[in-house]
Amino acid sequence: DTAVSQTPKYLVTQMGNDKSIKCEQNLGHDTMYWYKQDSKKFLKIMFSYNNKELIINETVPNRFSPKSPDKAHLNLHINSLELGDSAVYFCASGGALDTIYFGEGSWLTVV
Amino acid sequence: SQQGEEDPQALSIQEGENATMNCSYKTSINNLQWYRQNSGRGLVHLILIRSNEREKHSGRLRVTLDTSKKSSSLLITASRAADTASYFCATDGDNNNDMRFGAGTRLTVKP
Repeated sequence: DTAVSQTPKYLVTQMGNDKSIKCEQNLGHDTMYWYKQDSKKFLKIMFSYNNKELIINETVPNRFSPKSPDKAHLNLHINSLELGDSAVYFCASGGALDTIYFGEGSWLTVV
Repeated sequence: SQQGEEDPQALSIQEGENATMNCSYKTSINNLQWYRQNSGRGLVHLILIRSNEREKHSGRLRVTLDTSKKSSSLLITASRAADTASYFCATDGDNNNDMRFGAGTRLTVKP
């Protein structure tokens, strides 16, 4: 069973569109994250949720809106996509021993 | 903001050699972790070292932590071609919900 699963894995879309990436974890963790990895492989935290509550909201444009319907899900909705949004987006969840478990990533390409 | 910074950015060695990667961070931490990312995949947890520990071993991995210098090193002994990947350090600062990563060290092990 996949611990942290995110869909879609690949997404190609035009500028100005709105898209969502879904994430689910079956590990029973309270904390979930969204990270963005750019072309230089730098991994930057975007959001952190603990038990459905927003804990961390880094300097991310408000076009990015996370939604956590329950503690097992953290979805990412992006409005008015821009070229610079092209990146790999990783969902992750946090364990009791502070280990982070990552999904396989969602490759977003904005054309 | 970025917390851990890995050094070097890239490292190329021959199979059988040891690989050493370094990580520096800026603020106080509860623990420091190392992760591995194979090309096109999510990050996988390797090892965690707590702030009151100085050294930790796991198989061919050895991690050191010097909190006075705010630095850590990851040593992979007797490297194999399969160790080729990017390696990231992550720190939690004062908040377990705030895991920060650097840009990683890209390790290439030549057979």
